Amino acid sequence: GAGVSQSPRYKVAKRGQDVALRCDPISGHVSLFWYQQALGQGPEFLTYFQNEAQLDKSGLPSDRFFAERPEGSVSTLKIQRTQQEDSAVYLCASSFPPGDTYEQYFGPGTRLTVT
Amino acid sequence: KQEVTQIPAALSVPEGENLVLNCSFTDSAIYNLQWFRQDPGKGLTSLLLIQSSQREQTSGRLNASLDKSSGRSTLYIAASQPGDSATYLCAVNLWGGGSYIPTFGRGTSLIVHP
Repeated sequence: GAGVSQSPRYKVAKRGQDVALRCDPISGHVSLFWYQQALGQGPEFLTYFQNEAQLDKSGLPSDRFFAERPEGSVSTLKIQRTQQEDSAVYLCASSFPPGDTYEQYFGPGTRLTVT
Repeated sequence: KQEVTQIPAALSVPEGENLVLNCSFTDSAIYNLQWFRQDPGKGLTSLLLIQSSQREQTSGRLNASLDKSSGRSTLYIAASQPGDSATYLCAVNLWGGGSYIPTFGRGTSLIVHP
């Protein structure tokens, strides 16, 4: 596709439910990033993939958060036993190093509301 | 830990004004700095990217400067228009062990009224 796509765009979950958020990066982009953006805040880094390898997951807030990218393209962010504090917009971005800018291209985000 | 601060947090101006948005960061060992625009309910759109070796970048009515040694960047918007209304985010990229990882500020919420 022409850009990064994410689905669903909106998700309402009851506390305790599991959710799965999908990201389709730009075709050929090697790197994929997940961010969490709370209301009124800037995006916070969660995790990073280079192809299928998860090189950095230091930003994942708890062991309830899990991300995968098994074939090096589409990625899924899974949140188990959702809590109200998980309510946020989850952004995905992709980039294509090697390149000298490491510029990231963002998707529209998934707005998760936990009730 | 890298801290990124954006001032002002919010700005409301009449159409036609020239604007200055400020971004400061605590760790000057950055690879590059990027300015983004975010419209309500939308993702981030990259506006300008400045490499650490550069002093400024320009795109149309936008000009971004970088003073790495003092930990500051400024985004200038000339002749503002209502369509410029959005949140502007600054992000600095530091090496995170595998890739450059951006740290974002909280953003400046801009309203340009006719």
